[in-house]
Amino acid sequence: AQTVTQSQPEMSVQEAETVTLSCTYDTSESDYYLFWYKQPPSRQMILVIRQEAYKQQNATENRFSVNFQKAAKSFSLKISDSQLGDAAMYFCAYRNRDDKIIFGKGTRLHILP
Amino acid sequence: SQTIHQWPATLVQPVGSPLSLECTVEGTSNPNLYWYRQAAGRGLQLLFYSVGIGQISSEVPQNLSASRPQDRQFILSSKKLLLSDSGFYLCAAQGNNEKLFFGSGTQLSVL
Repeated sequence: AQTVTQSQPEMSVQEAETVTLSCTYDTSESDYYLFWYKQPPSRQMILVIRQEAYKQQNATENRFSVNFQKAAKSFSLKISDSQLGDAAMYFCAYRNRDDKIIFGKGTRLHILP
Repeated sequence: SQTIHQWPATLVQPVGSPLSLECTVEGTSNPNLYWYRQAAGRGLQLLFYSVGIGQISSEVPQNLSASRPQDRQFILSSKKLLLSDSGFYLCAAQGNNEKLFFGSGTQLSVL
């Protein structure tokens, strides 16, 4: 069975600095999707970034980028120039070929002013 | 645009009572549909997902069930609620653009 592991329950970063959130997953499939979602205090889930496993190029969305290491089954999220509005829970998610989507336990990110 | 209507926003139910949570999807056809539960400050646990009408995959063998009577309608039910059923329930849909979008959630408290 596929699993998603986020080993950092909480992290803090100084405003304007860069932070990296870790995610590893376990799968025997070769074709899948990976996602990072943000959940602010409103609890609304917001898609941050998406990566298709067949693409070697790392996805980027403005200040957010990923480091996708397929062989290592690692999918970390880098947030550059951290802003107060980035404070939230961040979830890593995996979608298999049967469209089952599972999430990690999340990392709570604090931004220090 | 793609949206999910999920209601109610909050619900307080006694132990042993039935449950019915409904979500409807707009802006996409034949979506994959998902029910997740989130305990306070915790991750999202996949409960059920559906890739088509009448097709339900169960991930959690508990006293919950799901049904998909129409293409864009997904219902979560229980005949008798347990204290452990308390949590934040999120309905989600994967539309034509491959992106997963979420409803605003239902906070269920079982007392």
